[in-house]
Amino acid sequence: GNSVTQMEGPVTLSEEAFLTINCTYTATGYPSLFWYVQYPGEGLQLLLKATKADDKGSNKGFEATYRKETTSFHLEKGSVQVSDSAVYFCALRDGGTSYGKLTFGQGTILTVHP
Amino acid sequence: DTAVSQTPKYLVTQMGNDKSIKCEQNLGHDTMYWYKQDSKKFLKIMFSYNNKELIINETVPNRFSPKSPDKAHLNLHINSLELGDSAVYFCASSQGSNTPHEQYFGPGTRLTVT
Repeated sequence: GNSVTQMEGPVTLSEEAFLTINCTYTATGYPSLFWYVQYPGEGLQLLLKATKADDKGSNKGFEATYRKETTSFHLEKGSVQVSDSAVYFCALRDGGTSYGKLTFGQGTILTVHP
Repeated sequence: DTAVSQTPKYLVTQMGNDKSIKCEQNLGHDTMYWYKQDSKKFLKIMFSYNNKELIINETVPNRFSPKSPDKAHLNLHINSLELGDSAVYFCASSQGSNTPHEQYFGPGTRLTVT
């Protein structure tokens, strides 16, 4: 079956540090890949997505590139802010008959200190 | 103005009780979902409805029964609540069930069973 593995957290950084959160996946066919963010006390929001190999998703300074050869979709940001503190989820939806089902990674808690 | 809303936001109840969580979306989407987030933040899909028809039913105890009276609503009824049902339940919606369109999440309902 499909699965998503994220790097273990929590991750603690100082403001303006570089962020990488690793994400690798296992899926049949050609999945679409997503990063969702959950701020404290809120629901999930889509941060960025990529629907085919070599696509780069980007939003709010975050980027991730769909790498089919390494089955990865690592999230990066060049300079984090305190407001980026949240839980980040990598997710996939496979290209077959999944009826929109998202398979999530375990989530990575990010804390950014001033 | 809220896209996906859930009620209640918090629900505290005793073992053995029956409770319902309501979800409404005003985005005009045709597909709705229920996800469960456990204490370690792990998210897993429970159910999905497309145009009021059940299309995803993961391995969930039959004490959980979703109901979709119309495309804008997907309610979750839980019978004979158990301690292990304590979690945050998220409703989500999307347009189309087999497309890479974004899923929009509600703010969540924190269920505590004592």
